Amino acid sequence: EDQVTQSPEALRLQEGESSSLNCSYTVSGLRGLFWYRQDPGKGPEFLFTLYSAGEEKEKERLKATLTKKESFLHITAPKPEDSATYLCAVHYNQGGKLIFGQGTELSVKP
Amino acid sequence: NAGVMQNPRHLVRRRGQEARLRCSPMKGHSHVYWYRQLPEEGLKFMVYLQKENIIDESGMPKERFSAEFPKEGPSILRIQQVVRGDSAAYFCASSPNPGRSSGNTIYFGEGSWLTVV
Repeated sequence: EDQVTQSPEALRLQEGESSSLNCSYTVSGLRGLFWYRQDPGKGPEFLFTLYSAGEEKEKERLKATLTKKESFLHITAPKPEDSATYLCAVHYNQGGKLIFGQGTELSVKP
Repeated sequence: NAGVMQNPRHLVRRRGQEARLRCSPMKGHSHVYWYRQLPEEGLKFMVYLQKENIIDESGMPKERFSAEFPKEGPSILRIQQVVRGDSAAYFCASSPNPGRSSGNTIYFGEGSWLTVV
């Protein structure tokens, strides 16, 4: 069964304390892996798309990496404004259907 | 450069009424998707549409739910005879062409929050 699993479910960090979020997937024929950020009461905000193993993308304090079975979202020196739920989703067929993980709720304290 | 526009943002309906949610995709996007986020659950795919065509409705409940994306105007997600279990956030997303292996970024709107009382 196609599945996307994110860990941890929740992560509390101190400001400046770097860490990583994990997204593991079991789908065949991956066409893309997406990372989104979602704030309470808002829609998912696009962060990155990764297409092949070994690919990396960066944006400010965030860096996403991809292997054949998982993706990591590395957060370097996080700030309180990075607090949000981070969602991982995979796109695996000709259509546009995404399978989402449950998300990691990140809290960064000053 | 407007993003995916959804309205209404918040909607309250009594049990048995109908709910209509609207979505205008980003400029240049001809592919629209609807997702539902139930309380304490993740985002679940409902339906994928192109202009005048339903491409994949594998996530749509069999009864009471329908979606359309007419030649002119926004995409509509329609829920008939709403029940309390329909209370959720409904998100619309759009993309230029999901069939391509690159450049198929899917952008989401801010959502429509449906409350059934």
